Amino acid sequence: DAGVIQSPRHEVTEMGQEVTLRCKPISGHNSLFWYRQTMMRGLELLIYFNNNVPIDDSGMPEDRFSAKMPNASFSTLKIQPSEPRDSAVYFCASSFGMSNYGYTFGSGTRLTVV
Amino acid sequence: TQLLEQSPQFLSIQEGENLTVYCNSSSVFSSLQWYRQEPGEGPVLLVTVVTGGEVKKLKRLTFQFGDARKDSSLHITAAQPGDTGLYLCAGIYNQGGKLIFGQGTELSVKP
Repeated sequence: DAGVIQSPRHEVTEMGQEVTLRCKPISGHNSLFWYRQTMMRGLELLIYFNNNVPIDDSGMPEDRFSAKMPNASFSTLKIQPSEPRDSAVYFCASSFGMSNYGYTFGSGTRLTVV
Repeated sequence: TQLLEQSPQFLSIQEGENLTVYCNSSSVFSSLQWYRQEPGEGPVLLVTVVTGGEVKKLKRLTFQFGDARKDSSLHITAAQPGDTGLYLCAGIYNQGGKLIFGQGTELSVKP
């Protein structure tokens, strides 16, 4: 298995632009998570899905952030409009259920908003 | 707000030394996981502990879950430069709940 695949690996964009981050979870995993990592706040859970349904989006910073999971093999995290304070590494992770067996993380998307 | 505190935040040691990293919470964990993250990559799962008092070993790494399931430790024996990385503990507070991460311990092992 190729693992959790995220794209792009790096994204540099200007303030005010729309940014879309993409994630392909591991086949067979039915839970998907979006995390954001910064030096100041560490790894923060933004939103998670179970069987393609959003379960908890309480970590989404504000209305500028939205996430979708149209099918079991694809999810997007969109920021519109982007701001410099959104600069961070965004990780997608998947697991089988809300698992005690651990999450598998992608390699992340490093977002820089200038 | 559930909070997971890790200590120390930074640790720089010489090759061959032993070290312990701690993870504490005021709440009871349903389960706790330890991850290791290298620069430019996502966290990679090392171990999951579920039962209070549980001890798991992974080569030179020993993981312990507190009896009350509120704390955990990671002990590395005879550290090597390849152990360098960010060590993260993460807990699930309710069965089926979300995984919350500590701030991490940045370990540097110098040859």
